[in-house]
Amino acid sequence: AQKVTQAQTEISVVEKEDVTLDCVYETRDTTYYLFWYKQPPSGELVFLIRRNSFDEQNEISGRYSWNFQKSTSSFNFTITASQVVDSAVYFCALSEPFGNQFYFGTGTSLTVIP
Amino acid sequence: NAGVTQTPKFRILKIGQSMTLQCTQDMNHNYMYWYRQDPGMGLKLIYYSVGAGITDKGEVPNGYNVSRSTTEDFPLRLELAAPSQTSVYFCASSYSWGQPQHFGDGTRLSIL
Repeated sequence: AQKVTQAQTEISVVEKEDVTLDCVYETRDTTYYLFWYKQPPSGELVFLIRRNSFDEQNEISGRYSWNFQKSTSSFNFTITASQVVDSAVYFCALSEPFGNQFYFGTGTSLTVIP
Repeated sequence: NAGVTQTPKFRILKIGQSMTLQCTQDMNHNYMYWYRQDPGMGLKLIYYSVGAGITDKGEVPNGYNVSRSTTEDFPLRLELAAPSQTSVYFCASSYSWGQPQHFGDGTRLSIL
């Protein structure tokens, strides 16, 4: 079973539209971390945000915001007023303490059309 | 600002050949990781290390070996290359568990 599920494989939006990327995770641990990474066409992986399992406070950083809900095991990511530079593959990831395992979702490819 | 450095960037191997992918970090991070990324897929953890002399298997360790003799270096060894190992390999490091991982630029490996 997938530990991290990103059901949206590809999303296309027109510039300036808002877009939400979904992430659902599965873990039996009470302590864990969740992450979002961005992989632009150039291929590098860029860290965006980290959230620990005890902090359900939603966060806004510029045009980015994250909605963490333990009750639904979801950690969704919203880009407001999307820009062409936001075009990338976005990965959600889960880090569990036992065995220091780190699980990535399969990614959502976002294309922002000018 | 070197961060995590991977060499080589590209490599083509023949089936059955062996090679070592190099990874070095200059951030004094304790934790280091090796991932592979297949087309259209997320990253899968191959091996990780929590410090010099300590390594452990990730989700997909078969066909690979690692060593960690120093804090800085974490090489990944392919002993008998197989076409199924064609992938992009990423090395990463972090200060400790739960901290963000810093990634290298990746090594694109093709096995023919």
